Amino acid sequence: EPEVTQTPSHQVTQMGQEVILRCVPISNHLYFYWYRQILGQKVEFLVSFYNNEISEKSEIFDDQFSVERPDGSNFTLKIRSTKLEDSAMYFCASSVDRDYGYTFGSGTRLTVV
Amino acid sequence: QKEVEQDPGPLSVPEGAIVSLNCTYSNSAFQYFMWYRQYSRKGPELLMYTYSSGNKEDGRFTAQVDKSSKYISLFIRDSQPSDSATYLCAMRDENTGNQFYFGTGTSLTVIP
Repeated sequence: EPEVTQTPSHQVTQMGQEVILRCVPISNHLYFYWYRQILGQKVEFLVSFYNNEISEKSEIFDDQFSVERPDGSNFTLKIRSTKLEDSAMYFCASSVDRDYGYTFGSGTRLTVV
Repeated sequence: QKEVEQDPGPLSVPEGAIVSLNCTYSNSAFQYFMWYRQYSRKGPELLMYTYSSGNKEDGRFTAQVDKSSKYISLFIRDSQPSDSATYLCAMRDENTGNQFYFGTGTSLTVIP
């Protein structure tokens, strides 16, 4: 069964450093998303991406964050100048259609120290 | 953020029991409803997807949506130890936005 692949599975970074989280969505999917889940809290929407541009972003997704689809397969989330409160599981997801359910990746656990 | 409310549990049932998981919501514009299962240290896995009101059945799983009460349910029949996981509801407005709003998840343990 096709799956969304995320790397790395765990990233530890020092406060103030930049991190790039990588995702390979399912090949025929057209919509791409990043969500995050702080330990013990809800899964929260960060951003959606369609047709090579951001289609929607939450208030969490401020200037510290950016997304790219640098080639036909990868989808990345960059976090500049990480803060302690950025520590969370970051999930990439993709879907064929915006009205359809997502397929999530297994997540990247980001720990900012 | 109180868009979607879900009892976190934990819920513990014996194998073979019928499990009922529920979410309530406040936004009457929500039309797309989903249930995800999340195993420890894994991403959410889509279980059921419904649009608007009504029931949907898939094997041992039944999803119900009652829009008049702003209440959705997931029933698991003949529960198995492999069903032990956290179950997340998620929903979206039809007309605006791409994001789904998630509940906190209910932790379920099925005891052999």
